[in-house]
Amino acid sequence: EPEVTQTPSHQVTQMGQEVILRCVPISNHLYFYWYRQILGQKVEFLVSFYNNEISEKSEIFDDQFSVERPDGSNFTLKIRSTKLEDSAMYFCASSRDGSYEQYFGPGTRLTVT
Amino acid sequence: AQSVTQLDSHVSVSEGTPVLLRCNYSSSYSPSLFWYVQHPNKGLQLLLKYTSAATLVKGINGFEAEFKKSETSFHLTKPSAHMSDAAEYFCVVSRGNRGSTLGRLYFGRGTQLTVWP
Repeated sequence: EPEVTQTPSHQVTQMGQEVILRCVPISNHLYFYWYRQILGQKVEFLVSFYNNEISEKSEIFDDQFSVERPDGSNFTLKIRSTKLEDSAMYFCASSRDGSYEQYFGPGTRLTVT
Repeated sequence: AQSVTQLDSHVSVSEGTPVLLRCNYSSSYSPSLFWYVQHPNKGLQLLLKYTSAATLVKGINGFEAEFKKSETSFHLTKPSAHMSDAAEYFCVVSRGNRGSTLGRLYFGRGTQLTVWP
């Protein structure tokens, strides 16, 4: 059964550094998403991406964040200058089209020190 | 606006007894509703979904949920718990139904289910 994959599973970085989180969505899916879950808090939506552009973003997704689909298979989330409060589990998801359910990857745990 | 309230942060049951995980939602639209499960060190797995068809929805592993518009509830049930059901369960709402773009998902805080032998 096809699944969403994410790398790395755990990333440790120092405050102020740039990080790139990588995702490989399910191959015939067209919509892609990033969510995050700070420890002890709800899973929160960050951004959705369709047809090579952002279709929706939350108030969390500020200028420090960017997304890209650099090729036909990867979907990346970049944080330009990490802050302590960016420490969280980051989930990638994909959907066949926007009206179907979203399938989630296992997450990348980002720790900012 | 959309939001979800999961009424219990922890639920403990004995193996073989029924499971009830409670969820209330708020939505400005006719919503789609989902239950996702997360086992330790695993991703979020879709258990079941409601998208404006039958109000009683059956999912994987014997779980089901009933959409009750009058009560704005979407409680998750299972007649007989199994040890492998121990996990965290998330009730999720999105705006829109099948045929329209669902957009972002709004998650509840999660309910940790413990199953005792």
